[in-house]
Amino acid sequence: GEDVEQSLFLSVREGDSSVINCTYTDSSSTYLYWYKQEPGAGLQLLTYIFSNMDMKQDQRLTVLLNKKDKHLSLRIADTQTGDSAIYFCAETPLEGGYQKVTFGTGTKLQVIP
Amino acid sequence: EAQVTQNPRYLITVTGKKLTVTCSQNMNHEYMSWYRQDPGLGLRQIYYSMNVEVTDKGDVPEGYKVSRKEKRNFPLILESPSPNQTSLYFCASSVDTTNTGELFFGEGSRLTVL
Repeated sequence: GEDVEQSLFLSVREGDSSVINCTYTDSSSTYLYWYKQEPGAGLQLLTYIFSNMDMKQDQRLTVLLNKKDKHLSLRIADTQTGDSAIYFCAETPLEGGYQKVTFGTGTKLQVIP
Repeated sequence: EAQVTQNPRYLITVTGKKLTVTCSQNMNHEYMSWYRQDPGLGLRQIYYSMNVEVTDKGDVPEGYKVSRKEKRNFPLILESPSPNQTSLYFCASSVDTTNTGELFFGEGSRLTVL
């Protein structure tokens, strides 16, 4: 099956920018997502991008996609303590959608006040 | 309030004692799925259901069963739990499987099998 990889841990100071990285292996057109899991809760969708796009911005969040390297990143500007959570990268193929979703291992973001 | 509800949230059981984790959604979603979350492995799909009476295996279905008799409910059944099924389980639902959609997750059920 497809593979999605992330680093496990990231620590940043409040007010700095955070960059969470993800690599994927699917060679076909695909959708890529960022989900956020706060402590004791389920996952919530933050944003998604289609593989023919390079960038997507939504308030403090910027998603960058390097299609050649199959590398996805999530940048959080002005990181706050409320951003402390686990962030999951996920991908779905064009055909099949969420039936065939693959999640990464998750990156735990720790924000230091 | 739109939500996915799982029960129980926490359970400690012993090897071989059948258990069921319930999942219910109030959003009239067609698609429902179960995942397990393990450290270093992320979320892995156990089973999914496209609609009532339609279920299919995900990546790690061994040792689990599901049913979808009603649209809103999608219980996960462990007929004979074993310690390697100790994990955090999530149920999720979506309007359909469209890529531009969103999976709505329950709060999780932490299961320990002794």
